[in-house]
Amino acid sequence: GQNIDQPTEMTATEGAIVQINCTYQTSGFNGLFWYQQHAGEAPTFLSYNVLDGLEEKGRFSSFLSRSKGYSYLLLKELQMKDSASYLCAVRDNTGKLIFGQGTTLQVKP
Amino acid sequence: EAGVTQFPSHSVIEKGQTVTLRCDPISGHDNLYWYRRVMGKEIKFLLHFVKESKQDESGMPNNRFLAERTGGTYSTLKVQPAELEDSGVYFCASSQPTGYSEKLFFGSGTQLSVL
Repeated sequence: GQNIDQPTEMTATEGAIVQINCTYQTSGFNGLFWYQQHAGEAPTFLSYNVLDGLEEKGRFSSFLSRSKGYSYLLLKELQMKDSASYLCAVRDNTGKLIFGQGTTLQVKP
Repeated sequence: EAGVTQFPSHSVIEKGQTVTLRCDPISGHDNLYWYRRVMGKEIKFLLHFVKESKQDESGMPNNRFLAERTGGTYSTLKVQPAELEDSGVYFCASSQPTGYSEKLFFGSGTQLSVL
């Protein structure tokens, strides 16, 4: 079967760094996506990894290890507006996105 | 540029009734997807249109669900008759085909409550 695991909830302090992990077992692998979703809003694209390594984009970075079926999203210099749900999704061999349940991040002052 | 829009944002209906959800993708996007999130679970794929054709409808739960995309523009998802387990948030997403790196643009979803 297809399975994507990520922590349900995380809490971090404003200004700190937080790492959200994602492990996956899917039917094929054609890239891993991270989306951010604020409550009641549309999920918005953050990053895409298809090769091993780190992709950096401003305060956000995403890492992928295909051999370990593992990714993480790193958020630096946390801001209150970063409080949201973070969705890990893998594109499988049919081209569909398979989502994890999402990690709700709460940033506290 | 307008994003993906979905209507209505919320719908409350009784079991046995019919509901039709609408999605307007980003103009020019050939790919249109429907996803659903049932409470406490992950977002799950329902189906995929390329222009007006159904490319993949393997995620549709049963024949009470009917999706259309007339003229390859907006899409509708009809649930008839609705059951309690159909409650959830229905997301629409659109994209331009760019290979596996293709990123989906999502709408805000329709919160469907079946009582």
